[in-house]
Amino acid sequence: EAGVAQSPRYKIIEKRQSVAFWCNPISGHATLYWYQQILGQGPKLLIQFQNNGVVDDSQLPKDRFSAERLKGVDSTLKIQPAKLEDSAVYLCASSFGTGGYREAFFGQGTRLTVV
Amino acid sequence: GQQLNQSPQSMFIQEGEDVSMNCTSSSIFNTWLWYKQEPGEGPVLLIALYKAGELTSNGRLTAQFGITRKDSFLNISASIPSDVGIYFCAGPFSGGSNYKLTFGKGTLLTVNP
Repeated sequence: EAGVAQSPRYKIIEKRQSVAFWCNPISGHATLYWYQQILGQGPKLLIQFQNNGVVDDSQLPKDRFSAERLKGVDSTLKIQPAKLEDSAVYLCASSFGTGGYREAFFGQGTRLTVV
Repeated sequence: GQQLNQSPQSMFIQEGEDVSMNCTSSSIFNTWLWYKQEPGEGPVLLIALYKAGELTSNGRLTAQFGITRKDSFLNISASIPSDVGIYFCAGPFSGGSNYKLTFGKGTLLTVNP
């Protein structure tokens, strides 16, 4: 079974530029998560989708971050404009169920450096 | 607020020693997940726990779901150098019919050969 795919693996941009990350979850997984992981910290949930609807985006900086999950499969996360403090690893994860089965499986992440 | 507290923050041990780490929550959970993350990689699921008091093993790893449903423990027996990494606990903070999968800050494990 293929795992969660993310691209790109690495991205370097200047502040105020825009960037987009792509995620393809495990086939059949209804729930998709985007996490931000700053060096030395645990993953922080940015947004959680259930199929193509948003379950939680309370920690998403909506003035600059946006995410969508069209047709309940692939997802993109966008930052516009980027700030220096956005430098982090952006992790995508997916899980099968929407109820009690909550094991989430992660992609390798995209390491973003804002200079 | 919704918090997961992991301890210790870091551990330095000798190869062959046993390791124990724990995680506590400000809320009651019905699921506890333990992950390991190596440099440059995403977290990898090690063990999932779904029932209070449950004890589950995965090779040399054993995890327990605390009776109070507010804590969990992960033990590694006879550590080896490849056990090096950051270990995270995670659990679903619920809000109505939805939940938010939240992670602790991690325990950094270093194993000296």
